[in-house]
Amino acid sequence: EAQVTQNPRYLITVTGKKLTVTCSQNMNHEYMSWYRQDPGLGLRQIYYSMNVEVTDKGDVPEGYKVSRKEKRNFPLILESPSPNQTSLYFCASSLIGVAGGQETQYFGPGTRLLVL
Amino acid sequence: DAKTTQPNSMESNEEEPVHLPCNHSTISGTDYIHWYRQLPSQGPEYVIHGLTSNVNNRMASLAIAEDRKSSTLILHRATLRDAAVYYCILRGYMNRDDKIIFGKGTRLHILP
Repeated sequence: EAQVTQNPRYLITVTGKKLTVTCSQNMNHEYMSWYRQDPGLGLRQIYYSMNVEVTDKGDVPEGYKVSRKEKRNFPLILESPSPNQTSLYFCASSLIGVAGGQETQYFGPGTRLLVL
Repeated sequence: DAKTTQPNSMESNEEEPVHLPCNHSTISGTDYIHWYRQLPSQGPEYVIHGLTSNVNNRMASLAIAEDRKSSTLILHRATLRDAAVYYCILRGYMNRDDKIIFGKGTRLHILP
């Protein structure tokens, strides 16, 4: 089954304790992305990746890191989490077509993070 | 800045058609218009997309204005399961600056 998986689904941590949220897709997609969703603010893009070893900042990259060492995985790293990073996080992936623009994004189920 | 603007919320009666508007006045010639929806406690899911012509699929129809500065997602017969947040986004030809901006979307309430 084609899917995007995220782990963990729920996480409670404390300020300053490094954490990683994993994202994996089995569709051989080039494009992967991380979003955070907060009440009243909608979905905001954190980082995205066009392919292995190619990453770029989205709208809200501060306090986050990503890496893309393999095509299927795109982990989100919080080196020193703070309470303002408490949020619902979604990973997504899509193809990058020759014509561009038509590709559908597939979203993971979300990771709910609470930073105390 | 968001490339699209949508009403914050809309209401519709069950089994009635729903027209969800989206303005994208700065759309470029290579931008496709995509619609996603997010059901409660789930990740967003794809609904439909188009470039210039109106599009239909099993979930909805997409009507695109002739000047492409606005579009309308049409749910022909709303059910309670269509209650969700609907997002209209633009996707252009992939390049290194291809951020995707979702915005806040429209929360659709369906009245039984």
